[in-house]
Amino acid sequence: DADVTQTPRNRITKTGKRIMLECSQTKGHDRMYWYRQDPGLGLRLIYYSFDVKDINKGEISDGYSVSRQAQAKFSLSLESAIPNQTALYFCATRNQPQHFGDGTRLSIL
Amino acid sequence: AQTVTQSQPEMSVQEAETVTLSCTYDTSESNYYLFWYKQPPSRQMILVIRQEAYKQQNATENRFSVNFQKAAKSFSLKISDSQLGDTAMYFCAFMTALKTGNQFYFGTGTSLTVIP
Repeated sequence: DADVTQTPRNRITKTGKRIMLECSQTKGHDRMYWYRQDPGLGLRLIYYSFDVKDINKGEISDGYSVSRQAQAKFSLSLESAIPNQTALYFCATRNQPQHFGDGTRLSIL
Repeated sequence: AQTVTQSQPEMSVQEAETVTLSCTYDTSESNYYLFWYKQPPSRQMILVIRQEAYKQQNATENRFSVNFQKAAKSFSLKISDSQLGDTAMYFCAFMTALKTGNQFYFGTGTSLTVIP
């Protein structure tokens, strides 16, 4: 079984829709992260959480929100999706090294 | 602020040859970790190798090795005996050793193509 599971794997949606990307992990790690990957820009940190009650903004948090429902679950929401949020999104756990999910490719039309 | 720079957006190498990917970083921290991740077309992020800054010895994992130059803030990845399966995007990453607020910082990536 994968340590970090992201759903959905791919999603196409329209501008203005609310989107939730989900991440779950099986290893009991406290730390969880959300990144977005854009061509030529590498991975940029959106939000991170050190435990259920500790949520922190990353480099590019505007337009996003997160929820740490349990130690194993960390969801990323786009309240009103816009086309420039089209990207590949990764969830990761731990910090040294980080373990990544397989990514969610999100396209906003 | 921490920054990671990969100055080679694309590289290619003949199968069985050796290639070196460069990475430089900037930090005021003295204790930190450095990583190389591989992202094949399947888009998974796979850890290739890691280096603790306090260790002078360069890390090695089979055909992958690093040249860590702490004073120069350089962390290059050498791939020996390149194989077709090495074709991927490679990301250099940095992480501080601070217990609080430590984050990963990624470079923009180098796309490596291994030519048969």
